[in-house]
Amino acid sequence: QPVLTQPPSSSASPGESARLTCTLPSDINVGSYNIYWYQQKPGSPPRYLLYYYSDSDKGQGSGVPSRFSGSKDASANTGILLISGLQSEDEADYYCMIWPSNAWVFGGGTKLTVL
Amino acid sequence: EVQLVESGGGLVQPGGSLRLSCAASGFTFSSYWMSWVRQAPGKGLEWVANIKQDGSEKYYVDSVKGRFTISRDNAKNSLYLQMNSLRAEDTAVYYCARDNEYYYDSSGYLIPLLAETFDYWGQGTLVTVSS
Repeated sequence: QPVLTQPPSSSASPGESARLTCTLPSDINVGSYNIYWYQQKPGSPPRYLLYYYSDSDKGQGSGVPSRFSGSKDASANTGILLISGLQSEDEADYYCMIWPSNAWVFGGGTKLTVL
Repeated sequence: EVQLVESGGGLVQPGGSLRLSCAASGFTFSSYWMSWVRQAPGKGLEWVANIKQDGSEKYYVDSVKGRFTISRDNAKNSLYLQMNSLRAEDTAVYYCARDNEYYYDSSGYLIPLLAETFDYWGQGTLVTVSS
């Protein structure tokens, strides 16, 4: 199964924006895949945030604030989760996921610290 | 309210077996694919298996093929994971999650819809494989 690469950690201050990345291997094209994003806080199950395929094909999880948004950078073969107006409660682990071939594959996760 | 409640975890010796259950409520269970996802202590998420609404199609991560079996009983609104030949590396919290819907494209590949996936999760059940 392909490996989705996420930076182990990221940090930003309250009110700022955090840009979390999920890089696909070079042999699969990010443009062909729906990227899913999940948030997980310690001791809790993951929470579904959103999916992003394109600006016209995307979906927000129920109750997920609009300051969470998805995008892609085709030049970097990367999916992006942008969190704007960071709040202390956004401190958590974030996972991306795709379905490359009859299996779901998660990235290794990024621990976001809100300074 | 959608609820998924896992049970059946515990301590088991290497080579042993365990059966996990997931009781679903608050939605029409028989209308959804369902999945098991696990998380080793201090590690990331790993999808384990999923099953079609009627149980006719099942998919597994390579590391559990031939050892784990996913099944469901729509009359009981329940999902199961039979785990045999357990290894230390199977130690994890196991979550059940509501999956997406799928279709086959013109090349015969199974493709998920552009829609929510794993939008509901249970609280998880811990499986520890150790002697």
